[in-house]
Amino acid sequence: EVQLVESGGGLVQPGGSLRLSCAASGFTFSSYEMNWVRQAPGKGLEWVSYISSSGSTIYYADSVKGRFTISRDNAKNSLYLQMNSLRAEDTAVYYCAKYSSSKLRIFDYWGQGTLVTVSS
Amino acid sequence: EIVLTQSPGTLSLSPGERATLSCRASQSVSSSYLAWYQQKPGQAPRLLIYGASSRATGIPDRFSGSGSGTDFTLTISRLEPEDFAVYYCQQYGSSPRFGQGTKVEIK
Repeated sequence: EVQLVESGGGLVQPGGSLRLSCAASGFTFSSYEMNWVRQAPGKGLEWVSYISSSGSTIYYADSVKGRFTISRDNAKNSLYLQMNSLRAEDTAVYYCAKYSSSKLRIFDYWGQGTLVTVSS
Repeated sequence: EIVLTQSPGTLSLSPGERATLSCRASQSVSSSYLAWYQQKPGQAPRLLIYGASSRATGIPDRFSGSGSGTDFTLTISRLEPEDFAVYYCQQYGSSPRFGQGTKVEIK
């Protein structure tokens, strides 16, 4: 059974940093592309970042470019999101989401999410 | 950048009724790259439809997708109690984008 479990969320002051983790199991993590998607309270879904299976290709949404860094450790079956210079508008539930395949880039599995609150 | 606009914002229907949700793109989307997700309160989204019309694994056949170009539709033929939720369309590719969602609520 595919499982994605996020952790690391919490309350942080504006300008602060936080590192999110996503522990994957139930599939060959090193073979799949991964993403972070977020959802502000009461709002819709926003894609945040993508990383290829090897980690060699990375994309970011314009809203987080230069502040967030996605990475992965295939030996530990883990995905990460380092978030710096956090703003109030970064407050959201952050989901890690797996792509179905490199040819079918749909989010076929999602974690339960971890809440990040940016507030003084 | 492609903008996806979903309508209506809220759909009030009774169990057993048919639901028709619309997703309009600001420019043409390859049908291969349009998906629909369902999200219930406090839960992660669940993939329903991909490639505009292909049902994901385990999705009941009362859910169907159609459309091409800039206009796409998700139809739920007969609403079950568990179908009341928020539905998002999504264009996928190198920069995935979501519509703002349609809430299907009990009338």
